[in-house]
Amino acid sequence: GQQVMQIPQYQHVQEGEDFTTYCNSSTTLSNIQWYKQRPGGHPVFLIQLVKSGEVKKQKRLTFQFGEAKKNSSLHITATQTTDVGTYFCAGPGVTGGGNKLTFGTGTQLKVEL
Amino acid sequence: DSGVTQTPKHLITATGQRVTLRCSPRSGDLSVYWYQQSLDQGLQFLIQYYNGEERAKGNILERFSAQQFPDLHSELNLSSLELGDSALYFCASSVGSVNQPQHFGDGTRLSIL
Repeated sequence: GQQVMQIPQYQHVQEGEDFTTYCNSSTTLSNIQWYKQRPGGHPVFLIQLVKSGEVKKQKRLTFQFGEAKKNSSLHITATQTTDVGTYFCAGPGVTGGGNKLTFGTGTQLKVEL
Repeated sequence: DSGVTQTPKHLITATGQRVTLRCSPRSGDLSVYWYQQSLDQGLQFLIQYYNGEERAKGNILERFSAQQFPDLHSELNLSSLELGDSALYFCASSVGSVNQPQHFGDGTRLSIL
C-alpha cells in the first residue's frame, strides 16, 4: 500500500537556526497537506499544495511540492520556540488509496533557546 | 478551537471491556475520520464516513466498529479491549473528500489497565 516517509524523524535546533523536513510518497499524490501537532495537542492543518512544483509561503514557513508530485518539503527560517512540535505531511493516493489520506511518519522539532 | 468535539477526553478501563468514543464534526462538515495515535507514533487511519455512509477503511481491527448518525455525529466502538489498544484516538472532519483539509478534535486518550 501507499507509504509516506518523512526525514528526519527528529530535529533539535538552536533558536534562530533553520529547519527542513522532507516528505516522500511511494505513489504520486494529487495534493499534499501539511499539519502541525504541538506536544499534547491535536494536528492542525497548515497548508495544501496541489500543483506540480508549487511553492507557498506562510511567514517563516516555505512549503514545496515536487515536480513529480511524489515529494514535498517544509522549510522554517529562523526557528522560534513556538515552532516546537511534530510536522506531518499527508496525501491521498491518485489510484487505489484515493479516498484515504495517508499521513507521513512525522518530524519532531525541538527548539532550544 | 477546531469546532470538532470529542468525548470523553480520557477513558480508563480494563482488558476485555468495551468503550464508545463520540465525535461531533465541525458545522457544515459531512465527512468524519477516525485515527489512532500510539505513543510516539504517527497517525493511523482507521475509518471514514461521509454523510452517514462508510467511505473508506484503513487498518481498523475487527473488534472496532464505527457509525455516523443522521445528525452527522459519529461513534467509534472498541470491544474486547487489549493492552495494545491504549492510544490517543482522534476524530477529524472535513467538508467532503480527503482532498480537503481535515480539522481535528482534541482526542480521547484511552488507557487499558
